[in-house]
Amino acid sequence: NAGVTQTPKFRVLKTGQSMTLLCAQDMNHEYMYWYRQDPGMGLRLIHYSVGEGTTAKGEVPDGYNVSRLKKQNFLLGLESAAPSQTSVYFCASSYSSRGGANTYNEQFFGPGTRLTVL
Amino acid sequence: GQNIDQPTEMTATEGAIVQINCTYQTSGFNGLFWYQQHAGEAPTFLSYNVLDGLEEKGRFSSFLSRSKGYSYLLLKELQMKDSASYLCAVLGGSYIPTFGRGTSLIVHP
Repeated sequence: NAGVTQTPKFRVLKTGQSMTLLCAQDMNHEYMYWYRQDPGMGLRLIHYSVGEGTTAKGEVPDGYNVSRLKKQNFLLGLESAAPSQTSVYFCASSYSSRGGANTYNEQFFGPGTRLTVL
Repeated sequence: GQNIDQPTEMTATEGAIVQINCTYQTSGFNGLFWYQQHAGEAPTFLSYNVLDGLEEKGRFSSFLSRSKGYSYLLLKELQMKDSASYLCAVLGGSYIPTFGRGTSLIVHP
């Protein structure tokens, strides 16, 4: 069981470039999330998905797009990167809101992607 | 909307007890999580409370009062490895968690 994996681990972009961050989970979780974490700001939700083929905006969605074509994958795209998007990005997954046996619906996090936009 | 408050930073001595508070205001409530995050690593789950009272898990306990919009995480017999950020997250009416800004705990000898 790999849990939640993220690729890449590090990336440096120039302003205006585009990229896609990939998140994969092997726990058959319904819910998946993308967060960014900046010093002093905690984890802020960018977009989330409550199931394959569905996505929704979180607290800070501007400048990002997402897709959930397969249940196990959740992609985060930056179409035109800006220095303000320099951050650490975490993907997470969890069972549905109704939960499963022996679960608190806690989130399982990937190791993070450290992105720098110059 | 949701508002979650935690102290920014706390310091404590190895072997002591520390209490990290979290207050919240939410529209709807479906539980409160505590996560631990070491520097440069991902958050990991510590505890979940949905009913009032204390949940104990070894050296860590978490308390919830829904009427007061208040929770705390209690860490006993502090060890150096407990130096980390502690994140409070509230599950509101939408079942999507909202995180506080985290409390950085520094444990010194």
